Formats: sequence, structure tokens, C-alpha cells
Amino acid sequence: DGGITQSPKYLFRKEGQNVTLSCEQNLNHDAMYWYRQDPGQGLRLIYYSQIVNDFQKGDIAEGYSVSREKKESFPLTVTSAQKNPTAFYLCASSPTSGRGRDEQFFGPGTRLTVL
Amino acid sequence: DAKTTQPTSMDCAEGRAANLPCNHSTISGNEYVYWYRQIHSQGPQYIIHGLKNNETNEMASLIITEDRKSSTLILPHATLRDTAVYYCIVRVEGGGSNYKLTFGKGTLLTVNP
Repeated sequence: DGGITQSPKYLFRKEGQNVTLSCEQNLNHDAMYWYRQDPGQGLRLIYYSQIVNDFQKGDIAEGYSVSREKKESFPLTVTSAQKNPTAFYLCASSPTSGRGRDEQFFGPGTRLTVL
Repeated sequence: DAKTTQPTSMDCAEGRAANLPCNHSTISGNEYVYWYRQIHSQGPQYIIHGLKNNETNEMASLIITEDRKSSTLILPHATLRDTAVYYCIVRVEGGGSNYKLTFGKGTLLTVNP
């Protein structure tokens, strides 16, 4: 089945540790995105990538880093510089051309708790 | 991207139509209206989008006023599984750096038995 996978669903880390969240898609989409969601809030864009080996900062990129070495994968690293990393992290992808380019497909999310 | 205003919450009886309003008075001529929904602790799901004509698909209908300053998402026969937060978003269609979506707080729709 085609889709987006994020793992793990729940992740616990100690304060001061970097942690990498995985996001994989087999939809052959060019564009991928990372969002953060805090309780009772909407989604905020962290980073996005429209093509392999290229990515742009979103609205809240500080304390995060990404890479896009493969079309299928867009991992997000939450660094120790991120002051409030505990949140629900959502990955999405979309085509950049053609009929479906306006619909973003979301993964199930990773809930990160920093202790 | 233009900002949107939605009610914080709404209730609907199961089997009845759910009408979710959205105000986007500063929408530009090339911006579309998108609707997504998010069931608790899951990723958002695309519902529908449109520019100025009314749109319908298997999930919902989208009614956009003639001046495009507001729209209504209609779920014709709401079920308990439609309980979710519904987000109204405006942005240009496709294209370059405009792919990103800007989510507000949305409307929590609760469908009651």
C-alpha cells in the first residue's frame, strides 16, 4: 500500500539529547514537509523540501535540522538547541505537478516527549 | 497567505448536515480555499478545495460566496466518525514555495448520537 510512515509513534528522550524522527513515503512525491503541533494548536511548518538535496526553513526552524538525500526519505533531527521539543510531529508529502499537487498526504505522526 | 477565521467548536446531530463556516476576507484573487480535517492524534486529511465555484466530492461540498470572503464546508450526513478538527486554509494553488500550508486552530466538530 502506498503511504507515509513515521516511526516510532511515541518517543522519549532525555533533555539535551539530539533525536531523529524518520519519515518515509512510497508515493513518488517530490515535496515533503515537517510540521509541529502543540496541544490545542494548529500545525506549524518546520522545514519543507521540494526536491532531493534541497530544503527550506519553515516558520519555526530554529533548533531543528533536516536532510533530503533520497526522494523517499526526509528525516528530522530535533537538536538540544530546541527549547521546547515536546510535541506531536507530523510529516507530509505532495506531488509538485499534475492533478494531485494541491493535496498533502500526512503520516500518522510521532509524539516526542523530552524528560 | 490570507488569514482565516473559524468558530472554535460546533455540534451536529448524527445524520444531519454539518455546515462549517470560514471567513477569509483578505483572500487574494489567486488564492484557493482548502479544507483539511484532523481526527484526534492522527495526521490531517485533505477534504476539498476550490477557487470560486462550488465544489463537491465524495466527502463534502464547498460553497464559496460570490465575493470570496467566506466559505462553508458541508458534510451532508454527518456520522460519529466525522468528529474532528476542521481546518480552513487559503493559499495559492501549487507552485514553488507556495506548497506549504498554514494551519490555524480550526473548528472542533462534535457529532452527537
